[in-house]
Amino acid sequence: EVQLVESGGVVVQPGGSLRLSCAASGFTFDDYAMHWVRQAPGKGLEWVSLISRDGYSIYYTDSVKGRFTISRDNSEDSLYLQMNSLRTDDTAFYYCAKGPTGNYFPYYFDYWGPGTLVTVSS
Amino acid sequence: AIWMTQSPTLLSASTGDRVSISCRVSQGISTYLAWYQQKPGKAPELLIYGASTLQSGVPSRFSGSGSVKDFTLTISRLQSEDFATYYCQQYYTFPPVFGQGTKLQIK
Repeated sequence: EVQLVESGGVVVQPGGSLRLSCAASGFTFDDYAMHWVRQAPGKGLEWVSLISRDGYSIYYTDSVKGRFTISRDNSEDSLYLQMNSLRTDDTAFYYCAKGPTGNYFPYYFDYWGPGTLVTVSS
Repeated sequence: AIWMTQSPTLLSASTGDRVSISCRVSQGISTYLAWYQQKPGKAPELLIYGASTLQSGVPSRFSGSGSVKDFTLTISRLQSEDFATYYCQQYYTFPPVFGQGTKLQIK
């Protein structure tokens, strides 16, 4: 059974930093691209970032470029999101999501973690 | 940038009803469209990809249709567990974009 479990969400002040983690199990982690998708409380879904199976192809939504860094450790079956210079509009549930293949395309999401809440507030 | 418009935003229906949700896209995307279901406090779950291919384990009362710019998610006989919010998502162009969601509530 595919399982994705995020951790690391906390309350942080504007301008602060945070690292989210996602532990994967139930599938061969290094065979698949992985994504972060976020959802502000009560709002819709927004794709944030993508990393290919080998970590060499990485993409971000414009609003987080230069502030967020996605990475993965295939030896640990783990995905990460380093979040710097956090803003109040980064407040959201952050979901780790699995892509259906190892390449960056197609970019839909066949399994999701339960999410972790990041609150950026003073 | 691609725009996704779902309608209606809010849909009231009863158990046993047949309902349809529309997703319109600002430019042609062939059939590179996915549908997700999200229940309160839970993560989204993939229902359909390729506009009409049912994800493994999804009940057959769910179906998807459409191509290019107009897509539809249909639930043939609503069950109590189907009351949730539904999102479409295009993956024809980068970045992937979601519709704003359709909340399906009990009438």
